[in-house]
Amino acid sequence: NAGVTQTPKFRVLKTGQSMTLLCAQDMNHEYMYWYRQDPGMGLRLIHYSVGEGTTAKGEVPDGYNVSRLKKQNFLLGLESAAPSQTSVYFCASSYSKDNNYGYTFGSGTRLTVV
Amino acid sequence: GNSVTQMEGPVTLSEEAFLTINCTYTATGYPSLFWYVQYPGEGLQLLLKATKADDKGSNKGFEATYRKETTSFHLEKGSVQVSDSAVYFCALRRGSTLGRLYFGRGTQLTVWP
Repeated sequence: NAGVTQTPKFRVLKTGQSMTLLCAQDMNHEYMYWYRQDPGMGLRLIHYSVGEGTTAKGEVPDGYNVSRLKKQNFLLGLESAAPSQTSVYFCASSYSKDNNYGYTFGSGTRLTVV
Repeated sequence: GNSVTQMEGPVTLSEEAFLTINCTYTATGYPSLFWYVQYPGEGLQLLLKATKADDKGSNKGFEATYRKETTSFHLEKGSVQVSDSAVYFCALRRGSTLGRLYFGRGTQLTVWP
């Protein structure tokens, strides 16, 4: 099915380890976003991209890096994981920034840092 | 700035009860408004939207009306089902902010048979 695919779905990391979360969309969307979801906090924007080769910081970018080398892929990296990064991570994409369009979300990556 | 405030949950209802989840927003200009639903273990799915004042969004028996005078977009359903148990998020979007969606904190709904 067309949509947004996130890998992996689950991961446990030790403090200080690094990892990359992959988001892939096959809808030719220009805009892509990474959010984290924590209990009682809703969704907070980490980084986003408005097109291939572009990235920008959101509300909570510290400790994360991103890359958008291909239009269909948006990678989120943790260079040195910390317990505070234990969360559920969602990727989303959108056709444009036009108000009329919502987002298509992936099913999430549940990350635990011990 | 742009922000969304939702009523805090959890909300617990019996099957066939009436549901209202309040949502108010702060934004400059003319945002579009959305309701998303998240079922257990899944990502968020678009439930309904409204793009201008007085528009009513509807889907699966849920409705919400864009009220600019009260800056509100309350979600309603006349008769809830057990399968409606989920977390509901209100959100706004303005193209001038590079298409970013601003989310409320979410409201957990549990429906008992």
